[in-house]
Amino acid sequence: NAGVTQTPKFRILKIGQSMTLQCAQDMNHNYMYWYRQDPGMGLKLIYYSVGAGITDKGEVPNGYNVSRSTTEDFPLRLELAAPSQTSVYFCASSKPGTGRNQPQHFGDGTRLSIL
Amino acid sequence: GQQLNQSPQSMFIQEGEDVSMNCTSSSIFNTWLWYKQDPGEGPVLLIALYKAGELTSNGRLTAQFGITRKDSFLNISASIPSDVGIYFCAGHQTGANNLFFGTGTRLTVIP
Repeated sequence: NAGVTQTPKFRILKIGQSMTLQCAQDMNHNYMYWYRQDPGMGLKLIYYSVGAGITDKGEVPNGYNVSRSTTEDFPLRLELAAPSQTSVYFCASSKPGTGRNQPQHFGDGTRLSIL
Repeated sequence: GQQLNQSPQSMFIQEGEDVSMNCTSSSIFNTWLWYKQDPGEGPVLLIALYKAGELTSNGRLTAQFGITRKDSFLNISASIPSDVGIYFCAGHQTGANNLFFGTGTRLTVIP
């Protein structure tokens, strides 16, 4: 009963390093999302994907890239890590469409610190 | 992006008390969702609302979709220590592919 799985759970990066946050879901959901959550704040959408091969920018996409080669996986890449990217990153998935399909299922997050 | 305002930002209550929180927006939403986030974990869906005026319960939790479609309310009755966490509202608009989240209400229950 895995749901949405994120790896790693924690990571510390130096400024300028790059890394990929992994996200996989086993619910055959077409839609997948990446959010960041800063301390005391709500979730802000970074990128989302409505299916394999299709990605779109969310509210805060600068400094990130994504790809969606399969339905199951939606990795998020940081090319040049900056202190402003210190945050907790959540991946989520949902069924396609709107209304009753919209409730999103979240992973447990990746806590990323840039020093 | 759309701004969803949640109030209060934080609450400290005694175990056994009832809790009320709300979420408002300047825009209309066609779906309202309430999530709870425990420390170190991702948000978990509590209640989903799909129709203006709808009142839905999940155990001790009751949520309502405001008739103006610009707000939603969550009530927790007879609070217990495990209710501690951050409660987020989220809204979906027709034609959008994503949700907009509120800033959260942090609930502390004092035994």
